[in-house]
Amino acid sequence: DTAVSQTPKYLVTQMGNDKSIKCEQNLGHDTMYWYKQDSKKFLKIMFSYNNKELIINETVPNRFSPKSPDKAHLNLHINSLELGDSAVYFCASSHPEAGQGYTFGSGTRLTVV
Amino acid sequence: AQSVTQLGSHVSVSEGALVLLRCNYSSSVPPYLFWYVQYPNQGLQLLLKYTTGATLVKGINGFEAEFKKSETSFHLTKPSAHMSDAAEYFCAVRVRGYQKVTFGTGTKLQVIP
Repeated sequence: DTAVSQTPKYLVTQMGNDKSIKCEQNLGHDTMYWYKQDSKKFLKIMFSYNNKELIINETVPNRFSPKSPDKAHLNLHINSLELGDSAVYFCASSHPEAGQGYTFGSGTRLTVV
Repeated sequence: AQSVTQLGSHVSVSEGALVLLRCNYSSSVPPYLFWYVQYPNQGLQLLLKYTTGATLVKGINGFEAEFKKSETSFHLTKPSAHMSDAAEYFCAVRVRGYQKVTFGTGTKLQVIP
């Protein structure tokens, strides 16, 4: 009955590989997000989708590509992984009402070696 | 543009003492304001939020925050710290009409027995 679930929880991979992180929410929210949290705990938004439409696309290398097959799912694909991509990636969702907060997933810790 | 500043990256309090975590925001229009808590190796959890109305908002785990427009502040308080309050706390702002939430850099709360 997890509200926002991400898989995998941990991901260790070599430089140059391609990997994907999946996110699913069962809250009926229309909007989903990807955030990156670096080693200093700084949270930076990467992308946001509203009902399968991309609405936020921050300055992120084009090696990162989000995909939203439906409003309950938002996946993140990363090509040609680099050491600097190591971080914790959080998926979140929210109700369209702007006063509502986010519900976060538990994160995917990506380590590039 | 919207932004938040959290004063103090680390705060230490004794168990039973007052907790005060500071947050100042910048927004050209009335904002929505949030506090989130992140326990080790977990996602962020919404503690409380300010949207409209009463400026003193109460959240979970005995925390509360007061919106002070004149001071552009939204400080988080708890009368008596518990060991279980040790975590990272994030202040966040969302401008009305926009989907993006901007997070502060976080404050790590240490509770000393």
